[in-house]
Amino acid sequence: GAVVSQHPSRVICKSGTSVKIECRSLDFQATTMFWYRQFPKKSLMLMATSNEGSKATYEQGVEKDKFLINHASLTLSTLTVTSAHPEDSSFYICSASSAGAYEQYFGPGTRLTVT
Amino acid sequence: AQTVTQSQPEMSVQEAETVTLSCTYDTSENNYYLFWYKQPPSRQMILVIRQEAYKQQNATENRFSVNFQKAAKSFSLKISDSQLGDTAMYFCAFMKHSNSVPNAGKSTFGDGTTLTVKP
Repeated sequence: GAVVSQHPSRVICKSGTSVKIECRSLDFQATTMFWYRQFPKKSLMLMATSNEGSKATYEQGVEKDKFLINHASLTLSTLTVTSAHPEDSSFYICSASSAGAYEQYFGPGTRLTVT
Repeated sequence: AQTVTQSQPEMSVQEAETVTLSCTYDTSENNYYLFWYKQPPSRQMILVIRQEAYKQQNATENRFSVNFQKAAKSFSLKISDSQLGDTAMYFCAFMKHSNSVPNAGKSTFGDGTTLTVKP
């Protein structure tokens, strides 16, 4: 199956700093990428949908100025958590899909800890 | 909007036995896909099985099979000969079929069922 990578797998940052998470589709062109947040023992919460070359669509309640998403190419999307605070600590998962596809392919996730 | 309901937050099963996880969904769409994903402690989401709504035959993948009841909007997962490695959180998901770029692949997930396989 298709492979999606995420980098970094773990990151610790200080409160007030920004951190960028990369999501790459390694062997296919991803017209659409999704960013999720997951709390322990909970379901995936969709944060935003990004389509290559256009602005991301954010879900209700997600601050677009805090969670900046860029999908500049068909193989790369980035999530930047700006001015991170301890409450932003979470597990972030990206997935990728393409038009006409009938599934999405998940990255391994990034554990963010804000101290 | 679609909703997916998993009514069993936690389940356990003895090794080598069979367990069924339930999932119901609500949609007005006619062309869609249903999925079961496994999330082990590593937290990597793994596709277990996929069902196309237009197919009446239930999907199977080795020890994993589904009971897809389209009229009842039910999609349960049966795990036969349970193994310790099956211990994980399982998510049921719905995806509307789309040939257009925006939102292609967008899915709705249930709350998950934590399955523990006991030795």
